[in-house]
Amino acid sequence: QKEVEQNSGPLSVPEGAIASLNCTYSDRGSQSFFWYRQYSGKSPELIMFIYSNGDKEDGRFTAQLNKASQYVSLLIRDSQPSDSATYLCAVRRSSYKLIFGSGTRLLVRP
Amino acid sequence: DAGVTQSPTHLIKTRGQQVTLRCSPISGHKSVSWYQQVLGQGPQFIFQYYEKEERGRGNFPDRFSARQFPNYSSELNVNALLLGDSALYLCASSLQGGGSEKLFFGSGTQLSVL
Repeated sequence: QKEVEQNSGPLSVPEGAIASLNCTYSDRGSQSFFWYRQYSGKSPELIMFIYSNGDKEDGRFTAQLNKASQYVSLLIRDSQPSDSATYLCAVRRSSYKLIFGSGTRLLVRP
Repeated sequence: DAGVTQSPTHLIKTRGQQVTLRCSPISGHKSVSWYQQVLGQGPQFIFQYYEKEERGRGNFPDRFSARQFPNYSSELNVNALLLGDSALYLCASSLQGGGSEKLFFGSGTQLSVL
């Protein structure tokens, strides 16, 4: 079992729709949770982080964390073609190490 | 303010050679981490340094080594290159490398081993 699991996609949604990206993790001791966006050929860009159970909203993005279910999600409202990218879920369980999933590729159709 | 800067951006080497990659963190950040990203995979942790001390090491062979300088910049060295070392090497910085801190990545060095 991978430590951080994501569906590789592609997840295809029409422009203006809500895109829902999911991530599960195996270590209950995980403390911090991050979502990075990575465009093809570029480096990861931090878009959301969450530390406590519940929802955290920032503009069109909402991160959701459920530690009991070991589940993190990212919702993107009013999806735009410019949101088309690979979204990486990352989990930190110790102070020094981020563990990444393989990413979900999102395609927003105009 | 400048973000995390890495050099070079691209590098082509042949098997058996050695390579040195460089990274400067965001001003004020004292911790630098190195990650390897193979095409189609998420980044994989190699090292973290804080105040010139190695704080953590991932599951990589001893051919990989790193160091951090007094100005908090860092170098990653890879000896005896293998074809499988071809990847995007990412440097990331954070304030102190703590558990809740955000990690910011540089643009990476694309290494191709022929």
